Amino acid sequence: DGGITQSPKYLFRKEGQNVTLSCEQNLNHDAMYWYRQDPGQGLRLIYYSQIVNDFQKGDIAEGYSVSREKKESFPLTVTSAQKNPTAFYLCASSMGTGRTDEQFFGPGTRLTVL
Amino acid sequence: GENVEQHPSTLSVQEGDSAVIKCTYSDSASNYFPWYKQELGKGPQLIIDIRSNVGEKKDQRIAVTLNKTAKHFSLHITETQPEDSAVYFCAAKDDYKLSFGAGTTVTVRA
Repeated sequence: DGGITQSPKYLFRKEGQNVTLSCEQNLNHDAMYWYRQDPGQGLRLIYYSQIVNDFQKGDIAEGYSVSREKKESFPLTVTSAQKNPTAFYLCASSMGTGRTDEQFFGPGTRLTVL
Repeated sequence: GENVEQHPSTLSVQEGDSAVIKCTYSDSASNYFPWYKQELGKGPQLIIDIRSNVGEKKDQRIAVTLNKTAKHFSLHITETQPEDSAVYFCAAKDDYKLSFGAGTTVTVRA
């Protein structure tokens, strides 16, 4: 999983609660990403960050928030506004956001809303 | 935006046979095409990639071909082994963003 750690591996949340997923990388990568994966679908981009203290919305940002206070860390908060949060969440990083920059993924966090 | 279609969605092959997965993309500006392998409950792992100035790339039993004119690229796995069983995703990169296909579940029968 190439120096990217995500915690926890499994997370259970009650409806109406916010929850924060952790993502840390020790690859000295500038860019970090959050994706959501649902069964039978490809990965969909939630947020990405090209540099510390800067981030942009991806395709499905509604109901999610992020911060990028340190180069190594890019936590994702799933808020109560997210209508269907049960999914597998993947964090990734790359050297930059250039067109040919390879993205490396963490092991994922499986979130289940009870 | 970029739209990537991947076929087939499932593929079952006899051990030792070849497997081929095909993807098409819509944005002619895309110029980086990685392939990822995902095992159950794990994050995707990059297995091979190709850039738009190359038509074919090979790494042991895995090869990828790219046809920019037709906007399609393919993954070829030869001499399949049980450990090749996994979900495979293609992707195309346009500016900063990777757009993924829906995935192909490959099962290698012993």
